[in-house]
Amino acid sequence: DQQVKQNSPSLSVQEGRISILNCDYTNSMFDYFLWYKKYPAEGPTFLISISSIKDKNEDGRFTVFLNKSAKHLSLHIVPSQPGDSAVYFCAGDLGGFGGATNKLIFGTGTLLAVQP
Amino acid sequence: GAGVSQSPRYKVAKRGQDVALRCDPISGHVSLFWYQQALGQGPEFLTYFQNEAQLDKSGLPSDRFFAERPEGSVSTLKIQRTQQEDSAVYLCASTKRGGLAYNEQFFGPGTRLTVL
Repeated sequence: DQQVKQNSPSLSVQEGRISILNCDYTNSMFDYFLWYKKYPAEGPTFLISISSIKDKNEDGRFTVFLNKSAKHLSLHIVPSQPGDSAVYFCAGDLGGFGGATNKLIFGTGTLLAVQP
Repeated sequence: GAGVSQSPRYKVAKRGQDVALRCDPISGHVSLFWYQQALGQGPEFLTYFQNEAQLDKSGLPSDRFFAERPEGSVSTLKIQRTQQEDSAVYLCASTKRGGLAYNEQFFGPGTRLTVL
């Protein structure tokens, strides 16, 4: 049973345009949701998080939106840059409140290619 | 400051061989996680330590997998009698605890294990 799903394996956008990466989840018990970015031969790098009690979190060019009724979240990157080209993983955290973190449940990832 | 380091970066084992994978977390990080990432998939949780205590090992796929963190710092993931299905990238992550903000997990570069 896949608790976190990323249905788009890949996405291609032009430099300067908006990239929108989507993620769906089934487990209502997630406290936090995260986005990680991964380059080849490197470990995932934390990008941005959102608490389950929020519906939006913004950090520079990156904004994450959470729609709890639809069990859906999305990551917006504006403007997209060639250096953003990487695999993006969505993850749910079952124990993020109180500064704690628990095991992360990851989606399968979306490969973003930003064309110059 | 140094990030999470893992060694070896690459390991080739013959089926039936035992392997040991090492993780050096960020200094002072209390929590340590191991994940397994198969090709084309997201990382999957294996086990979690808080200091030297192994609090969750629900993700270990079989009793051939064993993890330890005897002094609450360096951790070792051991796989006995390796099988071809154990071939994957093994990721280690660490995080601090406490505070009001979300404590993200910092990942190492991973160890790519290939079992022939």
